[in-house]
Amino acid sequence: QQQVKQSPQSLIVQKGGISIINCAYENTAFDYFPWYQQFPGKGPALLIAIRPDVSEKKEGRFTISFNKSAKQFSLHIMDSQPGDSATYFCAASGAGTALIFGKGTTLSVSS
Amino acid sequence: EAEVAQSPRYKITEKSQAVAFWCDPISGHATLYWYRQILGQGPELLVQFQDESVVDDSQLPKDRFSAERLKGVDSTLKIQPAELGDSAMYLCASSWGLSGNTIYFGEGSWLTVV
Repeated sequence: QQQVKQSPQSLIVQKGGISIINCAYENTAFDYFPWYQQFPGKGPALLIAIRPDVSEKKEGRFTISFNKSAKQFSLHIMDSQPGDSATYFCAASGAGTALIFGKGTTLSVSS
Repeated sequence: EAEVAQSPRYKITEKSQAVAFWCDPISGHATLYWYRQILGQGPELLVQFQDESVVDDSQLPKDRFSAERLKGVDSTLKIQPAELGDSAMYLCASSWGLSGNTIYFGEGSWLTVV
């Protein structure tokens, strides 16, 4: 099965700092790259998504950077807050396939 | 805001027993997914429906798992017999169509097999 590789597995950031999570994919047919946020005991919720025709997308404090040639994309959380502490999943899909998820990054923002 | 409804939220069952999960997607969503999420890992697709038809069930352990969406609306995922390794969260999700559309997840059904 095609994979989406996510790193780091866990991340600790000071309040106000920048959190950066990276993902790499293999299948060049993928054309949709979302990030999901999941709190304990809850289902994943869409945070932000990007398509390969743009290199960056920003929504509030969250930015996706996309590098098509390197087959990599990353999530940047600016001014990280304790409320951002959660597990983040990158994912990818394309050509009628369902989302394939990375293994997740547990983010802890210390106050 | 419309949500994906799942029940039960929690289920404890003994090994070799049967268990079933129900999902009601967001109204109008043609595509429905069942994912399994083991603690500490990302969701993994079990089955994908487009209306009442199965689009992808390649990762569904068909010897013990079955899924149906008879009228193209709500769906049931069944496990019989349950095994210890089936302990996980079972997530239902839905979207307007196939890939590239926002997928909305339910709260999940936690299964513990003892």
